[in-house]
Amino acid sequence: GAVVSQHPSRVICKSGTSVKIECRSLDFQATTMFWYRQFPKQSLMLMATSNEGSKATYEQGVEKDKFLINHASLTLSTLTVTSAHPEDSSFYICSASPSSGNTIYFGEGSWLTVV
Amino acid sequence: GENVEQHPSTLSVQEGDSAVIKCTYSDSASNYFPWYKQELGKRPQLIIDIRSNVGEKKDQRIAVTLNKTAKHFSLHITETQPEDSAVYFCAAAFNNAGNMLTFGGGTRLMVKP
Repeated sequence: GAVVSQHPSRVICKSGTSVKIECRSLDFQATTMFWYRQFPKQSLMLMATSNEGSKATYEQGVEKDKFLINHASLTLSTLTVTSAHPEDSSFYICSASPSSGNTIYFGEGSWLTVV
Repeated sequence: GENVEQHPSTLSVQEGDSAVIKCTYSDSASNYFPWYKQELGKRPQLIIDIRSNVGEKKDQRIAVTLNKTAKHFSLHITETQPEDSAVYFCAAAFNNAGNMLTFGGGTRLMVKP
């Protein structure tokens, strides 16, 4: 079946550095992918919509200059957390759907810890 | 945008009893309502979903009902088992593709043996 893969699954970075998280659709093309953030014991919150070949659409309150999204191909979207701070520590997870269908597939998620 | 409220936030039931989790949504354009079970640090696992043209759907011990007029939908788990213990999230999608999700706050279900 369709699979969405996310990498890395866990990352620790120093405060002030940047970290990139990749989201790949392994056997389907996705013109749109979504990025969510989940703080411990909280719900998943939509951060942004990643659009292939165009700018991402960010939800209210999400800083586009801090969370850079690139969707350069139909199978890959990347989220870069720039100038990371401890409060950015969270579980980041992406989702994608095949263009021909509307089943939602989630990546495995990425735990980011900023120290 | 869409807003999804979920209740209760915690639910404790005895094994074999039924569990009901309720959600309300704000955007009448919402057309897809999935329910997810999530283990800590894992991706959400779809357990059942319903689309706006259907009022009820059942899959073995799990059922979902949708009331479009009142804008609420509910998850029903019958004959609960300890392995049903988890965090459950409802969600609603209102974009045309039905894949941009707004999640409820989550319900921690505990099934006591």
